[in-house]
Amino acid sequence: GAVVSQHPSWVICKSGTSVKIECRSLDFQATTMFWYRQFPKQSLMLMATSNEGSKATYEQGVEKDKFLINHASLTLSTLTVTSAHPEDSSFYICSARRGGPNEKLFFGSGTQLSVL
Amino acid sequence: GQQVMQIPQYQHVQEGEDFTTYCNSSTTLSNIQWYKQRPGGHPVFLIQLVKSGEVKKQKRLTFQFGEAKKNSSLHITATQTTDVGTYFCAGPTISGGYNKLIFGAGTRLAVHP
Repeated sequence: GAVVSQHPSWVICKSGTSVKIECRSLDFQATTMFWYRQFPKQSLMLMATSNEGSKATYEQGVEKDKFLINHASLTLSTLTVTSAHPEDSSFYICSARRGGPNEKLFFGSGTQLSVL
Repeated sequence: GQQVMQIPQYQHVQEGEDFTTYCNSSTTLSNIQWYKQRPGGHPVFLIQLVKSGEVKKQKRLTFQFGEAKKNSSLHITATQTTDVGTYFCAGPTISGGYNKLIFGAGTRLAVHP
């Protein structure tokens, strides 16, 4: 089956620093990648939709200057949390889709970010 | 905008009991997908339903898609401790020119042995 690798699995950083999270589709080319944020025992909140070679589309209320998304290739998307603050602490998870809009999503294993 | 509602939020059952989670969309869906997320894990695709009134089974799991393609359900027969996790339904939508999935709030299932 299709595999999506997300790295790192967890990260602890100081307030004010930036953190980069990578999402790679290992055995397929992802037409679209999605970034979600999930709080404990809650649903997946879509942050942005990312297509290779174009700017990411952010959901309402998500600061694009705060959460920088780069989709450099069909197999790699990155999310950079800039100037992280404690309220940015959360579980961030990416997913990739390899076909059309009705295709299923393959999720990465997620990144637990803790900002001190 | 389109909303996908899911109930109940949480259910705990004794092992061997049945479990059902329900999903309702504010709009007609072209398809509905179901995912399972184990505690500490990431969502994993379970199934996709496309046709009106469709019913699909995976061992003890039965998935239904409503006639109007606006609601769906997942029923687990004789739950086991391995069924523990959160079950999400998700429906596609187009927004800002992009196709994306809108997830329901999820139903967290606890199974007591």
